[in-house]
Amino acid sequence: DIVMTQSPDSLAVSLGERATINCKSSQSVLYSSNNKNYLAWYQQKPGQPPKLLIYWASSRASGVPDRFSGSGSGTDFTLTISSLQAEDVAVYYCQQYYSTPCSFGQGTKLEIK
Amino acid sequence: QVQLVQSGAEVKKPGASVKVSCKASGYIFTTYAMHWVRQAPGQRLEWMGWINAGNGNTKYSQKFQGRVTITRDTSASTTYMELSSLRSEDTAVYYCARDFVVVPTASFYFDYWGQGTLVSVSS
Repeated sequence: DIVMTQSPDSLAVSLGERATINCKSSQSVLYSSNNKNYLAWYQQKPGQPPKLLIYWASSRASGVPDRFSGSGSGTDFTLTISSLQAEDVAVYYCQQYYSTPCSFGQGTKLEIK
Repeated sequence: QVQLVQSGAEVKKPGASVKVSCKASGYIFTTYAMHWVRQAPGQRLEWMGWINAGNGNTKYSQKFQGRVTITRDTSASTTYMELSSLRSEDTAVYYCARDFVVVPTASFYFDYWGQGTLVSVSS
């Protein structure tokens, strides 16, 4: 099974500043035949289910603000929030769907500094 | 609008079974797969299995094979997840989550989620 590891476990960023969350997979999630990275990002606020932010490593889901962006390839990925807003306080998870069972990172808790 | 509404919280004793339901609305139920994902306290999200709501085919995580059964009732637009031989480590919030693409393909990333059902296992 593919193990997903996020860093850091928690992060405090000032409003309006950039937040960067990293995700590393134990093996590549890049499928060579279509050159797509099978990697998604979710946001989870307290008491709520996860919300899909990014899929294919860099495609924003419908309705997601453009301050959220995803990058990376192979085994190393990044979620960037370009200008942190108060409503972005949440736990963020990466997920690989390259192989079954799909698997999630341990989460990164993002707070306001 | 798409909605997934799950059944209420459950308290079970070790060794018992639990069946959680997930009623879908706002889309054609049989055109998407449904997955079940759980989240134990302080733990990461954990995928359990999925069902093709069109033909009823299922696949389960090896971790839960033999203990989990996912079914659907197309007339009620409802998916069910039953977990048997419960132990304390099964205490978690259980989510249904819709696959992003229409069947027969499954993307294994999820665009709509139920509100979650807390299952507590304690003697």
